[in-house]
Amino acid sequence: DADVTQTPRNRITKTGKRIMLECSQTKGHDRMYWYRQDPGLGLRLIYYSFDVKDINKGEISDGYSVSRQAQAKFSLSLESAIPNQTALYFCATSDFATQETQYFGPGTRLLVL
Amino acid sequence: KQEVTQIPAALSVPEGENLVLNCSFTDSAIYNLQWFRQDPGKGLTSLLLIQSSQREQTSGRLNASLDKSSGRSTLYIAASQPGDSATYLCVKQGTGNQFYFGTGTSLTVIP
Repeated sequence: DADVTQTPRNRITKTGKRIMLECSQTKGHDRMYWYRQDPGLGLRLIYYSFDVKDINKGEISDGYSVSRQAQAKFSLSLESAIPNQTALYFCATSDFATQETQYFGPGTRLLVL
Repeated sequence: KQEVTQIPAALSVPEGENLVLNCSFTDSAIYNLQWFRQDPGKGLTSLLLIQSSQREQTSGRLNASLDKSSGRSTLYIAASQPGDSATYLCVKQGTGNQFYFGTGTSLTVIP
């Protein structure tokens, strides 16, 4: 089984709809991240969480919110989706104790019509 | 603002060639430098991680180097194969546990 999972893998929604992307990890890492990837722009950080009670805005947090329900779960919400939020979204985890590499989920491809 | 730049943006080589991918970054405050591989529609897979105290790391046909003073890292791929075709991302981890991603180099190895 994958260490970092994301659901759904693909989603099509309409402008104005609220949607939630979910991320779960079995690595026992304390730190979790949400990124979006757009062609030509690389990955950009939306939000990150260093533990259950810690939530921080990233480079492009406007229009997004997150919830760290447990150490293993980190959800990203789009309260009112808009077309320029069409992108590939990645969840990642890392471990403060070892400060090693990030581990990425497989991504969620979101299309906002 | 921290920046991570990768050159070239795209590269196409015949099978068997040795090749070098380049990464440059601003701000020498670095915790580590990582190279990831991304296949179309999939997540990122870590290839090599170089700690700030190290100069290079090797894994099979891959060798990555780090020169903090010049703000550069290179990924060397020996004897390229079609299965190496992917996008390669350079990621700098700052001292505050922030990650800065390059825009990637799209590699195509032609059989």
